[in-house]
Amino acid sequence: DAGITQSPRHKVTETGTPVTLRCHQTENHRYMYWYRQDPGHGLRLIHYSYGVKDTDKGEVSDGYSVSRSKTEDFLLTLESATSSQTSVYFCAISEGQPKYYEQYFGPGTRLTVT
Amino acid sequence: AQSVSQHNHHVILSEAASLELGCNYSYGGTVNLFWYVQYPGQHLQLLLKYFSGDPLVKGIKGFEAEFIKSKFSFNLRKPSVQWSDTAEYFCAVNTNQAGTALIFGKGTTLSVSS
Repeated sequence: DAGITQSPRHKVTETGTPVTLRCHQTENHRYMYWYRQDPGHGLRLIHYSYGVKDTDKGEVSDGYSVSRSKTEDFLLTLESATSSQTSVYFCAISEGQPKYYEQYFGPGTRLTVT
Repeated sequence: AQSVSQHNHHVILSEAASLELGCNYSYGGTVNLFWYVQYPGQHLQLLLKYFSGDPLVKGIKGFEAEFIKSKFSFNLRKPSVQWSDTAEYFCAVNTNQAGTALIFGKGTTLSVSS
């Protein structure tokens, strides 16, 4: 398994509070991604990073921000959590561009917004 | 919009039965194709991948998939399933148009009875 950890693994928070999820990798891969998994939707890309301080939006980026100050860490922030952001969040990494390299996924964070 | 369709939402098989899970995508250009498996409570694991070359791809745990460009399909097969194959299976596609994103199907739940 790729060296990817996510923290926390489970979190319950209230509507309107800020939440930060952390993804940490030990593979020194250039690309990192945040996806959310919802029943009936599969996985959808929120944001991704193609290097330190280089990030871009995915399909469902509204309400989320990211930061990457070190190669190994990619943070996902919900500035003001809403119930629609209740989901399972997966971090993924890849060595390079998706057209050449596969993505490996972390264990996930289950977030519940009440 | 680009999409990935997995026709079977839930498949129920007995051990030793053969498996075929359908996956079709809607994009006429170059694609990279993937199947991921998610065992209960676990993260996504890569089963197999197609970037180019032989359209018949062999993956881990006895799975294989065939890329048929004319049918925009990448069906997953296994000649004889085991109880331990019970999981959710996701087909994913990367296209030049999608850039960095993997576009996932909604998943197929496979239940294997012993």
